[in-house]
Amino acid sequence: KQEVTQIPAALSVPEGENLVLNCSFTDSAIYNLQWFRQDPGKGLTSLLLIQSSQREQTSGRLNASLDKSSGRSTLYIAASQPGDSATYLCAVSGNTPLVFGKGTRLSVIA
Amino acid sequence: EAEVAQSPRYKITEKSQAVAFWCDPISGHATLYWYRQILGQGPELLVQFQDESVVDDSQLPKDRFSAERLKGVDSTLKIQPAELGDSAMYLCASSFDQAEETQYFGPGTRLLVL
Repeated sequence: KQEVTQIPAALSVPEGENLVLNCSFTDSAIYNLQWFRQDPGKGLTSLLLIQSSQREQTSGRLNASLDKSSGRSTLYIAASQPGDSATYLCAVSGNTPLVFGKGTRLSVIA
Repeated sequence: EAEVAQSPRYKITEKSQAVAFWCDPISGHATLYWYRQILGQGPELLVQFQDESVVDDSQLPKDRFSAERLKGVDSTLKIQPAELGDSAMYLCASSFDQAEETQYFGPGTRLLVL
């Protein structure tokens, strides 16, 4: 059974810092990996999707990498802003429907 | 920009009562998903529809939960009777088809069972 773990569970950083969120999964037979953002009490917004054949994807200040063989992904956020404060969830798609991690709750302090 | 619509946004009910949630996916999206998200956890899939057919309902507690998508467009998720442990956020998502990886999520319905 696929399991997804996200570390750390919570992170607080001052504005302007670069930061890395980590995601690991137990079954490397995945189709793709996605990173989502969730604001408190709201739905999920897809940030980046990496196909299993890809190594990384970039969107603005966000960069996600994937190492399928080791079962790891990182989400890099450059020059963090208070508006980046949210919970970031990683999810993998494979032979089973999307399996989500518990998320990392990020607070960017002005 | 097209969005997934859900209603109600919030629902408070007493245990043993029946509750229903509604979802209207993005127009043209054939695949619809219902997820349950307990506070502090990631979403877990309850049921997946392809048009009006159920593709996966293996995690749906069928003794009390039911879901339908009669015309292959909007969908209803029902709980009867509600239990205290059902308190959670219920999220609906849609995608163009099963092969389309990107799922678009609605704002969710937050359920509190007293």
